[in-house]
Amino acid sequence: DAGITQSPRHKVTETGTPVTLRCHQTENHRYMYWYRQDPGHGLRLIHYSYGVKDTDKGEVSDGYSVSRSKTEDFLLTLESATSSQTSVYFCAIAGSGGTGELFFGEGSRLTVL
Amino acid sequence: SQQGEEDPQALSIQEGENATMNCSYKTSINNLQWYRQNSGRGLVHLILIRSNEREKHSGRLRVTLDTSKKSSSLLITASRAADTASYFCATDAGANSKLTFGKGITLSVRP
Repeated sequence: DAGITQSPRHKVTETGTPVTLRCHQTENHRYMYWYRQDPGHGLRLIHYSYGVKDTDKGEVSDGYSVSRSKTEDFLLTLESATSSQTSVYFCAIAGSGGTGELFFGEGSRLTVL
Repeated sequence: SQQGEEDPQALSIQEGENATMNCSYKTSINNLQWYRQNSGRGLVHLILIRSNEREKHSGRLRVTLDTSKKSSSLLITASRAADTASYFCATDAGANSKLTFGKGITLSVRP
């Protein structure tokens, strides 16, 4: 199994509070991604990173920011959480060898009240 | 916007039967991938088929790709109760391994 750890795994917060989700990998992979999964929508890409300090927006980036100061860590921040950001968030890394397959973490379930 | 659309949305079969799931997509792709997700867990990569390939096998899995119809199918032969999960197709249409996922198919395999 790819060494991907997401924290926290579960979080309940209130509208308007900041939230940071962390993804940590031990694989030294260049590419990292944040997806959200919602019923009826499947997985949608929020942001991704193609190297330290190199990030770009995905399909649903509004209300989210990311940072990658080290190869192993990719942080997703909700500056001011809203109820529409209640979701399960998955971090993924791209495997080595250029095959394009992704390895996923176990997910972080966020509830915004 | 969703690139891949799976069909059917839900499938219930008896153990030992074959399960066929379909995926259609809209734009040209580099490759198409299938993933499985067990309840409450992350997605697990099953198989990847490149745009210049038509069929690929991996154990009990068989995937086909028809680029002229922009469609793919995943066949799971001799299904087992442990195959019960959600299955997603994902397309890679550009750089940086950014995948676009469909909404998923829920497969239930009855013992």
